[in-house]
Amino acid sequence: DTGVSQNPRHKITKRGQNVTFRCDPISEHNRLYWYRQTLGQGPEFLTYFQNEAQLEKSRLLSDRFSAERPKGSFSTLEIQRTEQGDSAMYLCASSLRQGAWETQYFGPGTRLLVL
Amino acid sequence: LAKTTQPISMDSYEGQEVNITCSHNNIATNDYITWYQQFPSQGPRFIIQGYKTKVTNEVASLFIPADRKSSTLSLPRVSLSDTAVYYCLVGDLGNYGGSQGNLIFGKGTKLSVKP
Repeated sequence: DTGVSQNPRHKITKRGQNVTFRCDPISEHNRLYWYRQTLGQGPEFLTYFQNEAQLEKSRLLSDRFSAERPKGSFSTLEIQRTEQGDSAMYLCASSLRQGAWETQYFGPGTRLLVL
Repeated sequence: LAKTTQPISMDSYEGQEVNITCSHNNIATNDYITWYQQFPSQGPRFIIQGYKTKVTNEVASLFIPADRKSSTLSLPRVSLSDTAVYYCLVGDLGNYGGSQGNLIFGKGTKLSVKP
């Protein structure tokens, strides 16, 4: 499968614990995005990377959230001291900018439940 | 980034053609129009993208009038498996995730296809 993959697919944790999610983009894609989606809402942008550089962060991304993309390949999203409000689907997408066109391809998501 | 307005829900029957219209009155010259499909507990799936006139692929057609203030996603002969949420997005692809704007999803249109 050459699509975007995310691990784990599901995560249950207790409030106050740290969690880390991984995203493996499509191999030749230079851009990688993280989104959060809650029930009944569309995905909300969190942050994105171009290669290894993190170029934009949403104000939704509190100090408890950190993302990395070492060597411009896979990316990790860490949430520290999780809160119940962090429960959501975390989506990763990747894209390859080609001229004026860019299409983001999404992974299956990681569903987080904070108890 | 141009805001979009879509119907919250639509109902259809198998074999019918479904047209979902999206309004984007403030679309900018550099903005493209993109549609995604999302099934429950999955990431959004890219359907089609265009700038003006008509675009067709193996899945759908996208109609964009000359003023580009709206667009219509056309799904020919829907089946039960087309039941999903459909999102219309408008933005400058070159600046997706950048300081000029991010990929902004609304609540989408929930399409229900009945037998």
